[in-house]
Amino acid sequence: EPEVTQTPSHQVTQMGQEVILRCVPISNHLYFYWYRQILGQKVEFLVSFYNNEISEKSEIFDDQFSVERPDGSNFTLKIRSTKLEDSAMYFCASPTWGRDNYGYTFGSGTRLTVV
Amino acid sequence: AQKITQTQPGMFVQEKEAVTLDCTYDTSDQSYGLFWYKQPSSGEMIFLIYQGSYDEQNATEGRYSLNFQKARKSANLVISASQLGDSAMYFCAMREGRGETSGSRLTFGEGTQLTVNP
Repeated sequence: EPEVTQTPSHQVTQMGQEVILRCVPISNHLYFYWYRQILGQKVEFLVSFYNNEISEKSEIFDDQFSVERPDGSNFTLKIRSTKLEDSAMYFCASPTWGRDNYGYTFGSGTRLTVV
Repeated sequence: AQKITQTQPGMFVQEKEAVTLDCTYDTSDQSYGLFWYKQPSSGEMIFLIYQGSYDEQNATEGRYSLNFQKARKSANLVISASQLGDSAMYFCAMREGRGETSGSRLTFGEGTQLTVNP
């Protein structure tokens, strides 16, 4: 079964520091997504990435955030100057097609704690 | 604008019994997709089941079935023969239309915490 791989699984950072979260999506998929889940809350869309460009972004995805594809297979989400409220689980996701259905495969997430 | 509503913050069920988790949605799109995900305490998001807006039959995947009532805009998840391992948070989500493409975000509900009692 295809997998989406995220690293690191946990990251603790000081407020104001830059963090880079990494993801290897399912290969040969042009679309790619980042979502965020603050502890105890629902999952929120951050940004979608298509063919090396941002396709759509939410109001959460402000100038502090950026997404890149540094090489052919890896994607990164960068938070330039972390705030306490950036503490959350960050998921990347790739679309997948099953037998008769259509879904999104999520990575196992990076739990970011800003102190 | 899309909206997903899950009105049950918590649900309890006895092992081996069936349970229904409620989900209602609001969209003006004719083409959309509905999803259920399971999130155990370890945090990962596990895809369970999908229903397309044009699918005439309710989706089923093993012990999971989706009770899709389009006129009522509801997409309830039914778990049959509950197991202890089913204890988790369950999220309903919707993908906005544009046909069966991969270019659309998911909008999630608040989730329902299911506890299966032995």
